[in-house]
Amino acid sequence: QKEVEQDPGPLSVPEGAIVSLNCTYSNSAFQYFMWYRQYSRKGPELLMYTYSSGNKEDGRFTAQVDKSSKYISLFIRDSQPSDSATYLCAMEDNQGGKLIFGQGTELSVKP
Amino acid sequence: DAGITQSPRHKVTETGTPVTLRCHQTENHRYMYWYRQDPGHGLRLIHYSYGVKDTDKGEVSDGYSVSRSKTEDFLLTLESATSSQTSVYFCAIREGANNGYTFGSGTRLTVV
Repeated sequence: QKEVEQDPGPLSVPEGAIVSLNCTYSNSAFQYFMWYRQYSRKGPELLMYTYSSGNKEDGRFTAQVDKSSKYISLFIRDSQPSDSATYLCAMEDNQGGKLIFGQGTELSVKP
Repeated sequence: DAGITQSPRHKVTETGTPVTLRCHQTENHRYMYWYRQDPGHGLRLIHYSYGVKDTDKGEVSDGYSVSRSKTEDFLLTLESATSSQTSVYFCAIREGANNGYTFGSGTRLTVV
């Protein structure tokens, strides 16, 4: 079993929809949780960074962490065609040194 | 933003040949990483460095070695390239305890 599981999709939604992306994990030592966005043939770029449990909001993006359930989510409100990309969850324990990624979910937002 | 440069951007090489990929940063970040990205696997850690001459293995380190003789440069070497090492390779740095990781643009390596 992988330490981090993410549904690879692909996920297709109409413009303006609310998108929910999710990851589950098995390592209870993970403390830092991130979401990266990756456009085709580009490197991943950091979208959201959260520590421990709770919510974090940045514009149209909201990240949620539920450590009791070992489950993290990324919500995108009012999705735009420019949001079409692969979204990767990633997490790290408090020892540092190793960021573990999910497989990535391919998202397509149709005009 | 930290400047990360990966070279080369693309490379085609033959099975059995040695290959070295370079990652260069313009700031003095301590931690540097090499990942590979393959369909269905996301990004997997190959090796990482936590200082000059200080390196450690990741989850897919077999067939790879690394060196870091200067803070700004982290080299990844495939001693004898195999077709299974055809992949996109990303270098990353950690910009601080609460700033996540920043990735380079990647090197697309094809082993024929």
